[in-house]
Amino acid sequence: NAGVTQTPKFRILKIGQSMTLQCTQDMNHNYMYWYRQDPGMGLKLIYYSVGAGITDKGEVPNGYNVSRSTTEDFPLRLELAAPSQTSVYFCAGKGGTGELFFGEGSRLTVL
Amino acid sequence: AQSVSQHNHHVILSEAASLELGCNYSYGGTVNLFWYVQYPGQHLQLLLKYFSGDPLVKGIKGFEAEFIKSKFSFNLRKPSVQWSDTAEYFCAAMTTDSWGKLQFGAGTQVVVTP
Repeated sequence: NAGVTQTPKFRILKIGQSMTLQCTQDMNHNYMYWYRQDPGMGLKLIYYSVGAGITDKGEVPNGYNVSRSTTEDFPLRLELAAPSQTSVYFCAGKGGTGELFFGEGSRLTVL
Repeated sequence: AQSVSQHNHHVILSEAASLELGCNYSYGGTVNLFWYVQYPGQHLQLLLKYFSGDPLVKGIKGFEAEFIKSKFSFNLRKPSVQWSDTAEYFCAAMTTDSWGKLQFGAGTQVVVTP
């Protein structure tokens, strides 16, 4: 099992550009999450999903969108990139024992 | 508002020293508690978790944590650290009705010097 896989690992965007961070999992997680990590701030929840076709906002959803057309995939979309979205993004799936399994992260810089 | 707070943002200690990282949460009701570790350049990995039962929880790599309900605390401990324990440590909490949404503390950067 690959677990939770994120792509790309690194990306530089210009202000106003759009992009999609991909997240795919092969652990059959129903619950999936997108977090952003900023220095000294911990991780903040952007969006989450409890199953295919069901998504909801987390703590910091502004400027982002998600979709969940399949159990495996949970992409995060940035429509109009802003410098405030410079961050490290983590996708995670919730296992049967309650813990979250994280992907390796995607470092995004918006210039 | 629900929150998780970690007492120290940065800790520096020598190998073989003991480590204790503080974590407090403000939640009503039943709460599940976690400690995650992030080694430099890597993703978060679970160290240990508490759901119920024995309030002293043992995790991987010699770490343990004690849940003290009356103090709303879940402090992480290790009796003797190694250089390889250099990492950032995150306390996290979720309520049983929160769809598994974890709330994280700000993290504690631990540097272990040889």
